[in-house]
Amino acid sequence: DAGVIQSPRHEVTEMGQEVTLRCKPISGHNSLFWYRQTMMRGLELLIYFNNNVPIDDSGMPEDRFSAKMPNASFSTLKIQPSEPRDSAVYFCASSFKGNEKLFFGSGTQLSVL
Amino acid sequence: GESVGLHLPTLSVQEGDNSIINCAYSNSASDYFIWYKQESGKGPQFIIDIRSNMDKRQGQRVTVLLNKTVKHLSLQIAATQPGDSAVYFCAENNNYGQNFVFGPGTRLSVLP
Repeated sequence: DAGVIQSPRHEVTEMGQEVTLRCKPISGHNSLFWYRQTMMRGLELLIYFNNNVPIDDSGMPEDRFSAKMPNASFSTLKIQPSEPRDSAVYFCASSFKGNEKLFFGSGTQLSVL
Repeated sequence: GESVGLHLPTLSVQEGDNSIINCAYSNSASDYFIWYKQESGKGPQFIIDIRSNMDKRQGQRVTVLLNKTVKHLSLQIAATQPGDSAVYFCAENNNYGQNFVFGPGTRLSVLP
């Protein structure tokens, strides 16, 4: 199994630009999570999906953030417009069931200049 | 969920010694716990898990201990190796929620 696949690995963009992060969960996993990691706040849950349906998006910081899961094998996290304070590592994780162990991707290092 | 702090504790151990990494959790309803290892530039990697009906679980060179009375979790690594150098996170969850809450992490440095 290839594990959770995220792209891009690194993204450098200018303030105000749209950023789209992509994730392919492990095949057969029913739950998908988006986390953000910073030195100041550690790992924070942004949103998670069960069977492609968003369940809890209370961690999404602002309306500038949105996430979709159009099918069981693909999810996107979009930031529009991006701001320097969005700079962080964004992780996608999946699990067989929502309260089972999470498997993380390698993350996307986002830098907003 | 509970907030995580800003401070990242650091533990330095000699190669070959045993390491003990501690984690305090705050939600008494949490009944499932996981230890993750995160190496630089990588995502967190599952190490071992334990449910609240157990107080000890062993893996290969690792042991997790759970003390529900004081809401404390520990990870013991036997014969620590240079490859064990990483940041270690504990995560807690309850059977009703699907939000794993992660601790702030502990940085383990293995000295030659």
